[in-house]
Amino acid sequence: NAGVTQTPKFQVLKTGQSMTLQCAQDMNHNSMYWYRQDPGMGLRLIYYSASEGTTDKGEVPNGYNVSRLNKREFSLRLESAAPSQTSVYFCASSEATGGPYEQYFGPGTRLTVT
Amino acid sequence: AQTVTQSQPEMSVQEAETVTLSCTYDTSESDYYLFWYKQPPSRQMILVIRQEAYKQQNATENRFSVNFQKAAKSFSLKISDSQLGDAAMYFCAFIQGAQKLVFGQGTRLTINP
Repeated sequence: NAGVTQTPKFQVLKTGQSMTLQCAQDMNHNSMYWYRQDPGMGLRLIYYSASEGTTDKGEVPNGYNVSRLNKREFSLRLESAAPSQTSVYFCASSEATGGPYEQYFGPGTRLTVT
Repeated sequence: AQTVTQSQPEMSVQEAETVTLSCTYDTSESDYYLFWYKQPPSRQMILVIRQEAYKQQNATENRFSVNFQKAAKSFSLKISDSQLGDAAMYFCAFIQGAQKLVFGQGTRLTINP
């Protein structure tokens, strides 16, 4: 099992460019999440998908869109990148039924917006 | 809203010694889960240990154990016999139901040889 995979691992964008971060999990989990991690801070939730076909905003959704393509895949799109979106992005998944709700994380994508 | 606070931005310990990382949280719920995640320089988030709030017994995983004080809303992590590979950022996290994890700010742990 690969667990949670993310592509790309690194990306540099110019202000105003768009891109999509891809995430896939092979654990048959229902819920998937996108977080961002800024220096000196813990992870903050951008969007999540409790089940296939549903998405909800997290703590910091502005400037992002998501798509739950199917049970395995959950993508994050930046329509017009801004320097404030320079961060490390993590995707995670969890079973989300019956507990203990632990989340499994991908390796992260380091995004720099110049 | 739930919040998680880690009051120690940095900690250091001698190899083979014991260190305790602190975490407090705020919630009005009675049923929830707490976690400690480790993030080494590779950035990978690794689950270290979890605690179910309804369990009075403190969780243990090899050299890692917690001191869960539900009434005080405290959840500290004890690392015994510290090893160089334990050097990392440690994050305390809270979840209630199948909702979002709420993370603390993290504690950077350094192991001195």
